[in-house]
Amino acid sequence: KNEVEQSPQNLTAQEGEFITINCSYSVGISALHWLQQHPGGGIVSLFMLSSGKKKHGRLIATINIQEKHSSLHITASHPRDSAVYICAVRVWTNAGKSTFGDGTTLTVKP
Amino acid sequence: DVKVTQSSRYLVKRTGEKVFLECVQDMDHENMFWYRQDPGLGLRLIYFSYDVKMKEKGDIPEGYSVSREKKERFSLILESASTNQTSMYLCASSKPGQGVITGELFFGEGSRLTVL
Repeated sequence: KNEVEQSPQNLTAQEGEFITINCSYSVGISALHWLQQHPGGGIVSLFMLSSGKKKHGRLIATINIQEKHSSLHITASHPRDSAVYICAVRVWTNAGKSTFGDGTTLTVKP
Repeated sequence: DVKVTQSSRYLVKRTGEKVFLECVQDMDHENMFWYRQDPGLGLRLIYFSYDVKMKEKGDIPEGYSVSREKKERFSLILESASTNQTSMYLCASSKPGQGVITGELFFGEGSRLTVL
């Protein structure tokens, strides 16, 4: 079992819908990253968080340390949000390394 | 604007060739990482470096070596390329952690290597 599990694996939505992508992890962490990768493109860091909630534009990331769970929400989704969203955790025991989820492929249809 | 630059977006090499992948960052970051990304396997850490001339093996170091002679540059070397090293290679950098806050990761655009 992967230390970082994302759900769903694939997600198709209509433009304007509210989207939630979930990430669960099984280890103690010092931080969690949400990353975005467009087809054929590099990876962009969306959020890094260790507690609570962060918001940037239409994106919101939350984390519950006790439940070892994080969610990425996209409000008023748009076709340009279509990408792979990756959750990564930085474990306490090795601050230099991150463990990555397999990613959630999001497709937003116009 | 912060930047991690990888030297080649696309490379095609033959089995047995020596391959160099270069990564340069302009953010004065101490930590640098090399990952490979394969369908169904996600991102896997090959090597990372937390200082000049320092390196640590990641999860899949076999068949690879690295070099960090200057803080801004981290090179990945395939001594003798094999077909199973066909993959997307991603470089990243970050500042080291400060207490419970660890550094945000910045990624390059990726280098897609095909070994024939």
